[in-house]
This record gives sequence, C-alpha cells and structure tokens, in this order.
Amino acid sequence: GAGVSQSPRYKVTKRGQDVALRCDPISGHVSLYWYRQALGQGPEFLTYFNYEAQQDKSGLPNDRFSAERPEGSISTLTIQRTEQRDSAMYRCASSAGALYTDTQYFGPGTRLTVL
Amino acid sequence: QKEVEQNSGPLSVPEGAIASLNCTYSDRGSQSFFWYRQYSGKSPELIMFIYSNGDKEDGRFTAQLNKASQYVSLLIRDSQPSDSATYLCAVKPGNQFYFGTGTSLTVIP
Repeated sequence: GAGVSQSPRYKVTKRGQDVALRCDPISGHVSLYWYRQALGQGPEFLTYFNYEAQQDKSGLPNDRFSAERPEGSISTLTIQRTEQRDSAMYRCASSAGALYTDTQYFGPGTRLTVL
Repeated sequence: QKEVEQNSGPLSVPEGAIASLNCTYSDRGSQSFFWYRQYSGKSPELIMFIYSNGDKEDGRFTAQLNKASQYVSLLIRDSQPSDSATYLCAVKPGNQFYFGTGTSLTVIP
C-alpha cells in the first residue's frame, strides 16, 4: 500500500479485556516495529520483526503483551487482560531493512483507552 | 542514563531565524541517526538521516553528526511557522531505534 496502516484507529475497552491491534506495513518492507508513545514522550520500542521472525521483544512490558507476524506482512500486537496503565498510543513502523540507511515510516497509530 | 537525550524545550524562534536542535546519545556503536518531526496529534515523519561524520544538507535542513562527541544536531534555516512541531532524534545502534523525548519548537510569526 501507499503507507503503513493501523486498525483500529481508536479502541476503548474495559479493564481485563483482551485487545488486538493490527498493522499493515508498506508493501515489500522487511522490518516491522511496534512502539508505545505516551503524551510528551518519544516512541518507546516494544518489539521488532524481520520478515516473520520476531528478532527482539525486549521492550514488551510483561507477558500480557505479545506480537506476531505470521506471513511476514501484517502484524498483530495483542494485549491480554488489559489494565488502565496500558492506555497509550500504539504505533507501528516499517522499513526496508537496509543496514545503515534503514529508515522507518510510521503508521497513524492506535489510541488505546482502558477504562 | 537514557540512550538518547534531547532538551525538551520549548524552543521559540522568530520566523526567518535559524532553529538549532541538539541530541546526545550514549551508545558509541550507533551507526545511523535520524531526525523526525511530529506535529501535535500526528505520527512522526522522517526529515532526514545521517550516518557519516560532518554535515548533511537537505533544503532548509542541515543535520550535523560528531561521533567522537556522540552528538547530533539539526539546523532549520529560515524557520517558518509551519515548522512548529516536536522534533525527535533517533539512533540505531543495532536493530532497535531509540528515540529521545523530543524538543518542542515554536516559530513565532
């Protein structure tokens, strides 16, 4: 596609529910990143995929958070048993995967609100 | 110590002036450096990247990198009110991108 897309754009859920956030990267982009961004802060790394392989998940806050990219394209970030502290903007970015000149392009984000 | 440090600002400059944004990083293994602009309520958008010491110019923007000092800066010449945004510095030591907290810039007409 023309750019990175994310869905839903807004998600309101009750504490304890599970949510799934979707990211559709730029066509042909090898690398896909998930970030969480709090107001007034820079994006905070969560996890990273190269093709379908999850290369780094060190930024996931706890085991309620998981991500997958089964066919090397669309990715899903799942948060189980949501808590109010999970409320944030969740951003996805994709890149072509070049070594030094790799640049990533961000999607519009999903605003998650946990009541 | 944070991976990437930026002054949060706010930084105010008059229209037509040069805005100077600074960033320091901790990982000496960082190879690539990026500047993103983020308008309020929007996603970060790439302005430019640099990976060699020295200056890189693109229109009104100049990125400067000094790996010995672990310092990268962004100069915006002839600042315009439309440049008012938060500017994020990012570094890439390996597979991850580390972002600073951003510097808020206001260009006063």
